[in-house]
Order: sequence, then structure tokens, then C-alpha cells
Amino acid sequence: DAKTTQPNSMESNEEEPVHLPCNHSTISGTDYIHWYRQLPSQGPEYVIHGLTSNVNNRMASLAIAEDRKSSTLILHRATLRDAAVYYCILSSSIYGQNFVFGPGTRLSVLP
Amino acid sequence: DADVTQTPRNRITKTGKRIMLECSQTKGHDRMYWYRQDPGLGLRLIYYSFDVKDINKGEISDGYSVSRQAQAKFSLSLESAIPNQTALYFCATSDYYRGQETQYFGPGTRLLVL
Repeated sequence: DAKTTQPNSMESNEEEPVHLPCNHSTISGTDYIHWYRQLPSQGPEYVIHGLTSNVNNRMASLAIAEDRKSSTLILHRATLRDAAVYYCILSSSIYGQNFVFGPGTRLSVLP
Repeated sequence: DADVTQTPRNRITKTGKRIMLECSQTKGHDRMYWYRQDPGLGLRLIYYSFDVKDINKGEISDGYSVSRQAQAKFSLSLESAIPNQTALYFCATSDYYRGQETQYFGPGTRLLVL
């Protein structure tokens, strides 16, 4: 399974944008880039995913490098509720391949 | 009502006991998963099932077994619990369409083995 590398932790101020990086230099052409987050005392929840093009949804934006070896999850205005562990995961479109959750990035949001 | 439910939410047991964790889903998904999470670490896959007749071992299946009783139900058993199985356990379901998949997680079961 292709691996991802994320910083262990990041801090942001409330109402400021947050850019969470992820490196995935061994990504294959069939791998989707997924982001999940885990709020305290909860199970992970889906945030966003993409293949090649940048993606936006109501929660966040995903910027994918042209060579696809890195991506950035963008939270446009961090709130206290966004404090969580964020996981960057590669999901192969090949049937039978599974998600691999690394330790993720722990995001702290300061008031 | 939650789409993915897990029972019990918390459990304390003793070494050597058999225990079962249950997961139910109302999302109508075929795929279901069991993960465990240890403090400060990501999730590790224990078992997964792509449909009722399909059961597969994950990264850390030793000491665990599963049963897929129906599309909506996927149970995880610890045949003889040991202290290093103390962890947070998550069940998940997923939709899978044309190579794309989104997983939906339950609230977790916190297990303590004494």
C-alpha cells in the first residue's frame, strides 16, 4: 500500500485558514486521495477526496499537486470545532485494496 | 438515529474471557470493517467483509474472529481476551462505486482487559 507522510501536529488561530499538508510520493495512477478527520471521542468522519483535480465541498478544499505526489487540505476559516486529528489516506480504485490510516496530524485551534 | 451503531460503548473484562462487540448499520452498504485504535496511533484494520459471504483478514487479525450475520450486522469476537487487546474499536461501513469508496464509522467501543 502506498504510504502518506503528514506532520504530527499543527496549530491555527480561530477564523484563520489552515493548510494541512500530505506527502504521498509513491502514489499510483489508480489511487484516490482521501481526507478524514477524527474529533475527540468520536469515530473518523469523511472530509473530502479527489483524484487529480482540486476539489471543494462544504467542509474543505483539496489541492492536489500536478505530479500528485503531495496534496493539501484547506480549511478556509478554522473554528474550535475543527480541532481534530486529520488523516490523509490513499485509496486504490483496484478492487480489494483497503484504507491505511497513519497517525495523522493533530490540529489545535486557538481562540 | 445513527447510521452505524456499536454495542457496548464501553466494556471491562478479565484476561481469558470471551467477548463480542457488535456493529449494526442502516446504510444498506455491503462492505463492513473492524478497526482498532491505540492511543496516539492511527486505526489498524482487523477484519473486513465485502458482502455477507465474504470475510477477510486485515493487518492484525490474530486473536480476533468475526461473524457477518446479515448485511446489516458484523460482530467482532475476542476468543480469549488479553491485556494488550485493550484499545478503542471502531466498526465502519462503506459504499463502493467505480473504484471510489467512502467509509462511515461508528462511535467506537472502548475495551479494557484486566
